[in-house]
Amino acid sequence: EDQVTQSPEALRLQEGESSSLNCSYTVSGLRGLFWYRQDPGKGPEFLFTLYSAGEEKEKERLKATLTKKESFLHITAPKPEDSATYLCAVQLMTTDSWGKLQFGAGTQVVVTP
Amino acid sequence: DAMVIQNPRYQVTQFGKPVTLSCSQTLNHNVMYWYQQKSSQAPKLLFHYYDKDFNNEADTPDNFQSRRPNTSFCFLDIRSPGLGDAAMYLCATSREGSRFQETQYFGPGTRLLVL
Repeated sequence: EDQVTQSPEALRLQEGESSSLNCSYTVSGLRGLFWYRQDPGKGPEFLFTLYSAGEEKEKERLKATLTKKESFLHITAPKPEDSATYLCAVQLMTTDSWGKLQFGAGTQVVVTP
Repeated sequence: DAMVIQNPRYQVTQFGKPVTLSCSQTLNHNVMYWYQQKSSQAPKLLFHYYDKDFNNEADTPDNFQSRRPNTSFCFLDIRSPGLGDAAMYLCATSREGSRFQETQYFGPGTRLLVL
């Protein structure tokens, strides 16, 4: 059965304290892995797509990496505005061109001043 | 700016009273999705439209239906809402094509409360 697991469930950081979020997956075929940010009461906001092991993407204080079994989202020197829930989703390899997303439950990050 | 719009942002309904949620998009994407997200849980796909073709997830209750009258609009109908249907409903869109175009973009969501 295809599974996506995110850890930790929650993370509390001091401003400037770098950390990493983990997304591990067991799927029959990976087409792509997506990271989204979700603020309370809002829809997920797209951050990154990763397609192959070894790939890395960066955006401001965020850096996403991908291996064959997991992805990490590194937050470098976080600021309070980085507080959000970070969702990981895998796009499964199917015969359909649209590709179903399977989401993890998310990591809730709180950054305190 | 091109975007995904959902209306209303908050919807209160009574137990058993039909409700319709609306989604529109200016991205000209041919695939539209409806997700249900309960508190602290992952979004759960209910169904999607690939152009006009409707695709229902196997575990989506019959109480949930959808309509897509044109490329830009998609509706979620809940025929007889129960207390367990209270959740955030998310609409998303993507463009079919090469994998590099298949990112799903989400709207702001509609929070549904069932009394």
